[in-house]
Amino acid sequence: EDQVTQSPEALRLQEGESSSLNCSYTVSGLRGLFWYRQDPGKGPEFLFTLYSAGEEKEKERLKATLTKKESFLHITAPKPEDSATYLCAVRGEQGGKLIFGQGTELSVKP
Amino acid sequence: EPEVTQTPSHQVTQMGQEVILRCVPISNHLYFYWYRQILGQKVEFLVSFYNNEISEKSEIFDDQFSVERPDGSNFTLKIRSTKLEDSAMYFCANRVLSDEQFFGPGTRLTVL
Repeated sequence: EDQVTQSPEALRLQEGESSSLNCSYTVSGLRGLFWYRQDPGKGPEFLFTLYSAGEEKEKERLKATLTKKESFLHITAPKPEDSATYLCAVRGEQGGKLIFGQGTELSVKP
Repeated sequence: EPEVTQTPSHQVTQMGQEVILRCVPISNHLYFYWYRQILGQKVEFLVSFYNNEISEKSEIFDDQFSVERPDGSNFTLKIRSTKLEDSAMYFCANRVLSDEQFFGPGTRLTVL
């Protein structure tokens, strides 16, 4: 069964304190690993898609990396506006649905 | 960035009543999805829709649920007889031929 586990569940950082979020996955035939940002009461906002081990994508202070079993979302010198829940999802070989993890709730204090 | 819109933003209903949630997808997007998120839980897949028919559905999507494109543009999710456990955020998502799914802002459904 396809499964996604994210850690930690919650992360508190000081502004400027870099860190990483983890996403471990098991999936039959990975057809994409996706990172989304979700603000309270809002829909997930697309950030990145990764397809193969070794691939990296960057956007502002965020960098996503992928191995055969996990993905990391690195946050460099975060700002308070980076506070949100970060969701990881995978798409397997069976159809187009996304399987989501529980998310990591990130709080960045000034 | 392209936008998916959903109406209403919040729906309150009595148990046993029918509700219809609406989504206006991004033009030219071919694949449509409904997901739900119960408060504090994961985003869960409900159903996917392509070429005017259901292409995949989850165990959650039972006979109480249905989807339609009533006028070729809007995309609706109907729950025939709501239960307390249907209370959740419902998200519509679209994608084109690439893999990214773009989500709408959601409809918060509260069943009393």
